[in-house]
Amino acid sequence: AQSVTQLGSHVSVSEGALVLLRCNYSSSVPPYLFWYVQYPNQGLQLLLKYTTGATLVKGINGFEAEFKKSETSFHLTKPSAHMSDAAEYFCAVSDQNFGNEKLTFGTGTRLTIIP
Amino acid sequence: EAGVVQSPRYKIIEKKQPVAFWCNPISGHNTLYWYLQNLGQGPELLIRYENEEAVDDSQLPKDRFSAERLKGVDSTLKIQPAELGDSAVYLCASSLDGTVSYNEQFFGPGTRLTVL
Repeated sequence: AQSVTQLGSHVSVSEGALVLLRCNYSSSVPPYLFWYVQYPNQGLQLLLKYTTGATLVKGINGFEAEFKKSETSFHLTKPSAHMSDAAEYFCAVSDQNFGNEKLTFGTGTRLTIIP
Repeated sequence: EAGVVQSPRYKIIEKKQPVAFWCNPISGHNTLYWYLQNLGQGPELLIRYENEEAVDDSQLPKDRFSAERLKGVDSTLKIQPAELGDSAVYLCASSLDGTVSYNEQFFGPGTRLTVL
């Protein structure tokens, strides 16, 4: 069974500082990996995804994540935090199993930006 | 293009009452998902439809929950009777075709259910 662990349910960074949100996964087969963002009272929006190919993936709003198979990690980073980045972030994993795009989500990390 | 539409956005009911949520997916999306998101948790899949067929309902508590997707477009999720523990956000998502190697899931804003 696949699973995702997000280290740190709450992360606070100063505006302009580096954002680092941690995600480790467990999967018995090569995974697809995702980061979603959820703003208050809104649905989830896809930030970026890793399926195959380049292990460093770039997403929207200046975010990027690197797939490290040896560390079973897919950490999310952004060089310089902006106030608008304050939200809940979810890491998710899916088996590379055609016809079964079932997403398993982590418990989320709430990002607070300090002015 | 309109996104995934859900209604109502908020619902407050007393326990043992029935409740229904409605979802209209993005036009042309064959696959529809219902997720349950408890406070402080990530979404958990309840049921997945390919067109009008429920292809994964293993996580749906069938004693009180039911869902339908008539004509393979809109979908309704029902709870009868509701319990206090059902208070949560119910998310609907859709994707082009769940049988093709990864199609992005687009999420609606959710329905926040409070059971008193």
